[in-house]
Amino acid sequence: GQQVMQIPQYQHVQEGEDFTTYCNSSTTLSNIQWYKQRPGGHPVFLIQLVKSGEVKKQKRLTFQFGEAKKNSSLHITATQTTDVGTYFCAGSGTSYGKLTFGQGTILTVHP
Amino acid sequence: DARVTQTPRHKVTEMGQEVTMRCQPILGHNTVFWYRQTMMQGLELLAYFRNRAPLDDSGMPKDRFSAEMPDATLATLKIQPSEPRDSAVYFCASGPGSLGEKLFFGSGTQLSVL
Repeated sequence: GQQVMQIPQYQHVQEGEDFTTYCNSSTTLSNIQWYKQRPGGHPVFLIQLVKSGEVKKQKRLTFQFGEAKKNSSLHITATQTTDVGTYFCAGSGTSYGKLTFGQGTILTVHP
Repeated sequence: DARVTQTPRHKVTEMGQEVTMRCQPILGHNTVFWYRQTMMQGLELLAYFRNRAPLDDSGMPKDRFSAEMPDATLATLKIQPSEPRDSAVYFCASGPGSLGEKLFFGSGTQLSVL
């Protein structure tokens, strides 16, 4: 079945440093989504990428979808303490609408 | 704000007991997902419904778990009998039913089986 791998599992940064998490799928994806889960909370949708090579930005967050549509990345510039949480990628392959989540990257930001 | 409602928020039970978790998807959404979250396994898809019909429950242990949608406003996940290894946070999520839809998650049910 479809597998989505995400690295790193943990990332500790000082406030102001950049952060990147990477997502790789075992199969070609029709789209990829990114979610953020705050400690004790539930996953909240951030963005969706659909096109090969697509790049989207949300303020300090930059999302990329690979040319082969099998990998993606999320980059945060100049992290803030409000960025703390777990970032998940979730891929949808040939199964209509079925989302498979990566393991997530837990980000801690030290002030 | 429209939101996915899950009950109960917390459940502590003893091994062998039946557990029922409920989810009210956002009105108008026609897809419902059940995910289980643990530190070791992350977010695992248990079951997936579209227009109340189960499309995929391959991630669900069939011998003890069952998922249903008796109507469009209610999804249930039952565990019978429960076991300590079932302890986890169970999330329900709903979506509008289009390809590449974003999911709206409920606040989850924190289950502890003693």
